[in-house]
Amino acid sequence: EVQLVESGGGLVQPGGSLRLSCAASGFTVSSNYMSWVRQAPGKGLEWVSVIYSGGSTYYADSVKGRFTISRHNSKNTLYLQMNSLRAEDTAVYYCARDIVSRELHYFDYWGQGTLVTVSS
Amino acid sequence: SYVLTQPPSVSVAPGQTARITCGGNNIGSKSVHWYQQKPGQAPVLVVYDDSDRPSGIPERFSGSNSGNTATLTISRVEAGDEADYYCQVWDSSSDRGVFGGGTKLTVL
Repeated sequence: EVQLVESGGGLVQPGGSLRLSCAASGFTVSSNYMSWVRQAPGKGLEWVSVIYSGGSTYYADSVKGRFTISRHNSKNTLYLQMNSLRAEDTAVYYCARDIVSRELHYFDYWGQGTLVTVSS
Repeated sequence: SYVLTQPPSVSVAPGQTARITCGGNNIGSKSVHWYQQKPGQAPVLVVYDDSDRPSGIPERFSGSNSGNTATLTISRVEAGDEADYYCQVWDSSSDRGVFGGGTKLTVL
């Protein structure tokens, strides 16, 4: 059974850093594309970042240069290192498994999310 | 960047058909995917590749995509279908995911 469990969220001051983790089971993270998607309170879904099975990474403009996606193969875990955090980064952060085939690219499994609050 | 436009809300009576649209420039040339999100829960994939359903999703959920509009259709709407629905595409020119703003489906 595929499971994704996020952790690492919490309260952080503006300008601070936080690292989110997403522990996967039932499949191999390094063999799949994996994404982070966030949702600000009362708002819609916003794609944040993706890491391809080959290691390439891409980011939304809103986080580029501040966030870094990575994975630990032996721990089968996905990470999101978030630096220079701003109030507008406050959101529930979800990790998701990507399904990619030619022009198809969607998210078939999602974690339960972890809340990040950026506030002084 | 590619933009997807959804109506903020759609209301329908139980047993009727709900149609939720997702507009985008020549969206018919892209594969569109739909997610259902209930309060306090993670999104759930309900339609992928315009019109395919993951296992476990009722046949009442269907999709279509042509021209500048993709549509999620929910037939014989039930109270349990009340949720937010999001469309999604992948912008392959920039390797980025794109979500619509979401539509709140209210079952009257």
